Amino acid sequence: GENVEQHPSTLSVQEGDSAVIKCTYSDSASNYFPWYKQELGKRPQLIIDIRSNVGEKKDQRIAVTLNKTAKHFSLHITETQPEDSAVYFCAAIRGSNYKLTFGKGTLLTVNP
Amino acid sequence: KAGVTQTPRYLIKTRGQQVTLSCSPISGHRSVSWYQQTPGQGLQFLFEYFSETQRNKGNFPGRFSGRQFSNSRSEMNVSTLELGDSALYLCASSLRTGDEQFFGPGTRLTVL
Repeated sequence: GENVEQHPSTLSVQEGDSAVIKCTYSDSASNYFPWYKQELGKRPQLIIDIRSNVGEKKDQRIAVTLNKTAKHFSLHITETQPEDSAVYFCAAIRGSNYKLTFGKGTLLTVNP
Repeated sequence: KAGVTQTPRYLIKTRGQQVTLSCSPISGHRSVSWYQQTPGQGLQFLFEYFSETQRNKGNFPGRFSGRQFSNSRSEMNVSTLELGDSALYLCASSLRTGDEQFFGPGTRLTVL
């Protein structure tokens, strides 16, 4: 089945710096890759997603890139702010097997 | 539109007991997925239902089961509880597979 590896497990940056989180997946048929943010004590919320027919997607300070050949995708956050501090999860799914597989998460801390 | 709701929010049980958790998806969403979240393992897929049919199941023992009703509400059941079943159980709904999944607040299960 699908396996998603996520790195790093923890990331500490200064406010205003950029943060990058990387994920690799094993199933070459996976075609949808969402990123979720989970603040302490709260539910995961989608922050950005990308489909396999697109190489990059951007939404204000957040961007995601996808390399299908290498089977990896990355989350980029620019101009980080303290409110970006949270756990970030990447995930992958092949539409035909209905199972969203998550990475183990990255604890991002943005220091003021 | 009301979000995904889960009941109860907290449960304390003892080993050997069984438990039933409930999830009400966003109106119109027919796909409901369940996840177990623990600090060590992250978010692990339990099962996915669509129109009352289980379409996929994660790597969990048969003690974990679920069902979906005609109104798309879903329940999951864990029998013969073990200490290791202590976790946050999250459900998520979406219109279709491969669409954004919206998470509920979770049910925090503690097994003593």
